[in-house]
Amino acid sequence: EDQVTQSPEALRLQEGESSSLNCSYTVSGLRGLFWYRQDPGKGPEFLFTLYSAGEEKEKERLKATLTKKESFLHITAPKPEDSATYLCAVQAGGGSNYKLTFGKGTLLTVNP
Amino acid sequence: EADIYQTPRYLVIGTGKKITLECSQTMGHDKMYWYQQDPGMELHLIHYSYGVNSTEKGDLSSESTVSRIRTEHFPLTLESARPSHTSQYLCASSVTARDSPLHFGNGTRLTVT
Repeated sequence: EDQVTQSPEALRLQEGESSSLNCSYTVSGLRGLFWYRQDPGKGPEFLFTLYSAGEEKEKERLKATLTKKESFLHITAPKPEDSATYLCAVQAGGGSNYKLTFGKGTLLTVNP
Repeated sequence: EADIYQTPRYLVIGTGKKITLECSQTMGHDKMYWYQQDPGMELHLIHYSYGVNSTEKGDLSSESTVSRIRTEHFPLTLESARPSHTSQYLCASSVTARDSPLHFGNGTRLTVT
């Protein structure tokens, strides 16, 4: 069974204090690993898709990386507006093509 | 700016009532989904559709039903609401490609008293 574990559950940073969020996964043939951002009272918003180990993608202060067992979301010099819950999800390569397995998310708070 | 719309945003209703949660998208996406999300927990897929007249149950057992009569519309119905149905319901859509990202609505927060 596919599994996604995100750590830490919650993270508090000071503005400008860089850090990383972790997403560990087990999946029977990874087709894609997705990162989403979710603000309170809103639906998740797509950030990145990673497909293979070694791949990296960047968007503003965020950079996502992927290995065969985990993904990291690096946040460089965060700002208070980066505060949100960050969700990781994996899609298996075979079988039903709809199935995404989500983690529980990391709640990031960036204090000014 | 949301291209996928869910109504109502909040709903408080008594046990035994029938409810329909509305979801519409303007992107022409073939695939649509309903997820359930409780605080601090994973999103769980409860229904999905690959197109008009196509609906399937997801991984999480649910007493709800869905219909897909039009591409843009994917309502979810609970015939008899119970307190155990209290949750956040998120609708999403995507293009046909298998690894395409999901576009989510802002959800309906349902409370059954």
